[in-house]
Amino acid sequence: KNEVEQSPQNLTAQEGEFITINCSYSVGISALHWLQQHPGGGIVSLFMLSSGKKKHGRLIATINIQEKHSSLHITASHPRDSAVYICAADRDDKIIFGKGTRLHILP
Amino acid sequence: TAGITQAPTSQILAAGRSMTLRCTQDMRHNAMYWYRQDLGLGLRLIHYSNTAGTTGKGEVPDGYSVSRANTDDFPLTLASAVPSQTSVYFCASSPAGGFGYGYTFGSGTRLTVV
Repeated sequence: KNEVEQSPQNLTAQEGEFITINCSYSVGISALHWLQQHPGGGIVSLFMLSSGKKKHGRLIATINIQEKHSSLHITASHPRDSAVYICAADRDDKIIFGKGTRLHILP
Repeated sequence: TAGITQAPTSQILAAGRSMTLRCTQDMRHNAMYWYRQDLGLGLRLIHYSNTAGTTGKGEVPDGYSVSRANTDDFPLTLASAVPSQTSVYFCASSPAGGFGYGYTFGSGTRLTVV
């Protein structure tokens, strides 16, 4: 079993829909990261979380340390949100990446 | 624009040949990393350097070597390329050792070994 599991693997939605991407991890962490990778390949850091919730524009990330679970939400989704979203568990000694969720927003 | 520059952006390489992937950052970050990204496997750490003059092995170091002569540069060398090294390679950096302090990724190098 992978130490970081993301779901779903692929997600297609209509523009305007509320999107949720889930990340579960089985290891102790100091932080949880959400990354965005656009079709061109570049990887951008979205959030670093150690507790609670963070919001940036239409993106919201939450984490439940007790349940070892994090979610990334996108409100009022737009085709430009189409990308691969990756969560990563930060253990200080190493980073464990999820395999990513491929999101496609249809206009 | 401050950040990480990787070169080349893509390369086709004959098996058995050597190649160096270049990575330069201008943020004075102490720590630098090399990852490979393969379909279905996610990002995997090849080598890392917590500070100039030191390097360490990651999850998949075999067939790769690195050096860190100064703060800015962290080249990755494939001494004798094999087809299984076909991948997209990302360089990353962070202010201090450990991702927890924030980090930046380069735009990647797509390598095809034939």
